Formats: sequence, C-alpha cells, structure tokens
Amino acid sequence: DVKVTQSSRYLVKRTGEKVFLECVQDMDHENMFWYRQDPGLGLRLIYFSYDVKMKEKGDIPEGYSVSREKKERFSLILESASTNQTSMYLCASSALGTPLHFGNGTRLTVT
Amino acid sequence: QQQVKQSPQSLIVQKGGISIINCAYENTAFDYFPWYQQFPGKGPALLIAIRPDVSEKKEGRFTISFNKSAKQFSLHIMDSQPGDSATYFCAASKHGGSEKLVFGKGMKLTVNP
Repeated sequence: DVKVTQSSRYLVKRTGEKVFLECVQDMDHENMFWYRQDPGLGLRLIYFSYDVKMKEKGDIPEGYSVSREKKERFSLILESASTNQTSMYLCASSALGTPLHFGNGTRLTVT
Repeated sequence: QQQVKQSPQSLIVQKGGISIINCAYENTAFDYFPWYQQFPGKGPALLIAIRPDVSEKKEGRFTISFNKSAKQFSLHIMDSQPGDSATYFCAASKHGGSEKLVFGKGMKLTVNP
C-alpha cells in the first residue's frame, strides 16, 4: 500500500519565518505534488514535480518554492511566512497515469 | 476562473437514502474525471473515476454518471450509510492522468443514522 508521509501534523510559525514542509513517499513514484486546502476553496495546486530536480508551477505558486533532491522526498518552502498562508497543506504522489495518493496533511498556522 | 464547479456545498441525508453530488466543467479537453473522498483528519483518497468514452460507471453503491454534451458529471451514493459521511471532491484533468488535476470546492456529506 502506498504511503505518503508528511513530517508534521500541526505546525505553528511566526510571520516572516522560513518554513519547510517535508513529504516522503515509499512507492518510487515519479510525480509529487503540493496542494493547499482551504474551506470553500477546495484543493489548489501549488507546485508539482515529475522527476528529481524538476518542478512546475501549479495554480497558486506565489510565496512558495519547492525542492526535490531525491525521488522519494518533496519539500515545500515558505520563504517568508505570512498569515494568509495559514492553511492545510497536502502532499500527494503518483506514478504516470495512476491516481493521486495523498498524505494526511500538515495544518500550518502563521501568527 | 473556476474550471470545475461542484454543487451542493453540503448535504444531509438519512441512512438508506440517495446522495447526489453534481459537477460541471468548462474545458472540453478534460478527459479524466475522478471523485475523491476525504474523512476528517485524513487526506483525500480516490473513490471512483470515469473517462468520457462511457456514460456511467458503477462500483458497489457508488455510481458516476457522465454527460459529455452537457459537460456535467455526478456521483450517486445509493443506500447511504453513516460511514459515508465525509467530504467529496470531484476533479478533472487532461491527458487521462492525475497530473494537474483541477478540483471542485468539495461537498460535505452527513448521513444521519
């Protein structure tokens, strides 16, 4: 069974801090994704990666960057956290042509 | 611009009833339409998916109906159970895969015992 693990379940950070959200998958999937989930807005794609060191912007990349140095690990970086980035962050992975497998999310609060 | 519009936003049904969730899309290039189910504290998980070469797909109590001309698809949950209480997301993508899925805003289903 595919497992996507997000390192933190809850995270509280201060405005202006640099924040790292980590995600690891154990199924050798080529594709990895970061989504943001907000009430009434659904899931919105921030960034995705289709290979090591490759990345592509999603629908809402502003204020975020990503890193994929190893196939199994995909990191989301908030260079300078702001209160409007308080949200639930979901990592997902997939092989080519297969469904997304999501982690259980990191609830980030920026104060 | 919202590419996938989902309705209603919430739904309450009695145990044994039928739950219906509707989605509409604009982009005719979409060719893969999955539904994801999310329980509290968990990430979404694929429930059922359809491609536009068929008009209906059934898996147990869950059925997707697809209307290509109307650019609409819907999820029907027959004999709804309290364990079906969750948030449901429709989604769509091009090129038949999960890359760059566009999600609807989600619908919270509550099934009363």
